[in-house]
Amino acid sequence: AQKITQTQPGMFVQEKEAVTLDCTYDTSDQSYGLFWYKQPSSGEMIFLIYQGSYDEQNATEGRYSLNFQKARKSANLVISASQLGDSAMYFCAMRGAGGTSYGKLTFGQGTILTVHP
Amino acid sequence: DTEVTQTPKHLVMGMTNKKSLKCEQHMGHRAMYWYKQKAKKPPELMFVYSYEKLSINESVPSRFSPECPNSSLLNLHLHALQPEDSALYLCASSQTGQGPTEAFFGQGTRLTVV
Repeated sequence: AQKITQTQPGMFVQEKEAVTLDCTYDTSDQSYGLFWYKQPSSGEMIFLIYQGSYDEQNATEGRYSLNFQKARKSANLVISASQLGDSAMYFCAMRGAGGTSYGKLTFGQGTILTVHP
Repeated sequence: DTEVTQTPKHLVMGMTNKKSLKCEQHMGHRAMYWYKQKAKKPPELMFVYSYEKLSINESVPSRFSPECPNSSLLNLHLHALQPEDSALYLCASSQTGQGPTEAFFGQGTRLTVV
């Protein structure tokens, strides 16, 4: 079974500052993928960044970076230079490799990020 | 084209109605998904189709009936729903296999059952 834990129900950050959203995971799969999605109030799930379990370098996509610590089973999202448009719900998710977990995207409970001007 | 299109955007239906949600993608993805999402909760997987065959059914009640008529289309047929089925229904697609196979989501259908 796979499990994603996001322990921060809500986070606040000042515009232009950096913020870290926490994510820990548990899986028995050797190969897996970790994802972060942003969901504005409109409802669409927007893909932000991906980290593969065998990737040695931390993933980066523009202002987003993923702090991947495999031994600690954590995959924290770092948003640099926050913007007002970053205010949204953020989900950490995992996709398994084989058996019954193949193709399943398991989500954490989400973190609501509010960016203050 | 990295778009998943869902129709309708909003749907209100009575408990005796039959309706269908539609999802379309033209990215050549061979895996397609239906998720149900309640307010301020994470999406919950309902069904996974892989190469047009149902590969995962997460014990969803039979009043929800998925259909994948071809590799670009995914439908969710609704019949005799309950008010607690009101939610945001999200469709997604992805490549199959490993690697950076992120799932692309549509904007969802907001369903209200009255």
